[in-house]
Amino acid sequence: GAVVSQHPSWVICKSGTSVKIECRSLDFQATTMFWYRQFPKQSLMLMATSNEGSKATYEQGVEKDKFLINHASLTLSTLTVTSAHPEDSSFYICSASIAHTQYFGPGTRLTVL
Amino acid sequence: AQKVTQAQTEISVVEKEDVTLDCVYETRDTTYYLFWYKQPPSGELVFLIRRNSFDEQNEISGRYSWNFQKSTSSFNFTITASQVVDSAVYFCALSEGDSSNTGKLIFGQGTTLQVKP
Repeated sequence: GAVVSQHPSWVICKSGTSVKIECRSLDFQATTMFWYRQFPKQSLMLMATSNEGSKATYEQGVEKDKFLINHASLTLSTLTVTSAHPEDSSFYICSASIAHTQYFGPGTRLTVL
Repeated sequence: AQKVTQAQTEISVVEKEDVTLDCVYETRDTTYYLFWYKQPPSGELVFLIRRNSFDEQNEISGRYSWNFQKSTSSFNFTITASQVVDSAVYFCALSEGDSSNTGKLIFGQGTTLQVKP
């Protein structure tokens, strides 16, 4: 149980385009999902907390207009990187929370050319 | 302030050796949760264990064991008879459990374990 999927697993895009990443809890409902960013050889950096039916809560320093989060159902949250630039290239990981535990998706590697 | 410290950046052992990964945490809350996650080269974080602050019982799961000591604010993780497949980055994390808690995790910096054949 507690399986989280993420799609796509990797994406390459041109600078200036937008990219949408989906995070789904497959066998449970998650009121709260989280989005992280991870740079090589570093720990996870929380970007935002996504709550179903309400606005996401962004961490300090994360641009709300650049990283759009939508949590329209109890099993799906999406992260859209708008007008992506090379510095947005990173590994993005989502998690879904149930019973005080976060279960993580497999991650999405974004490369912006 | 909450903080998780994994002082060991990298550990290298030979297969079948035992290895302990250290984790020290700081929190002012009396109710909190501690976690260990494994991140293999594929990148996905795999949940290993959760302990709540009221349960100091040590836990064993196969070759894995965890030692939770509130007196020293530590939650160490031991792998017995390590195997090459144990090679990964291991993260210790803390979540506070008050009523307003959103379940946010505070991660340590991670320990890279390399198990050589």
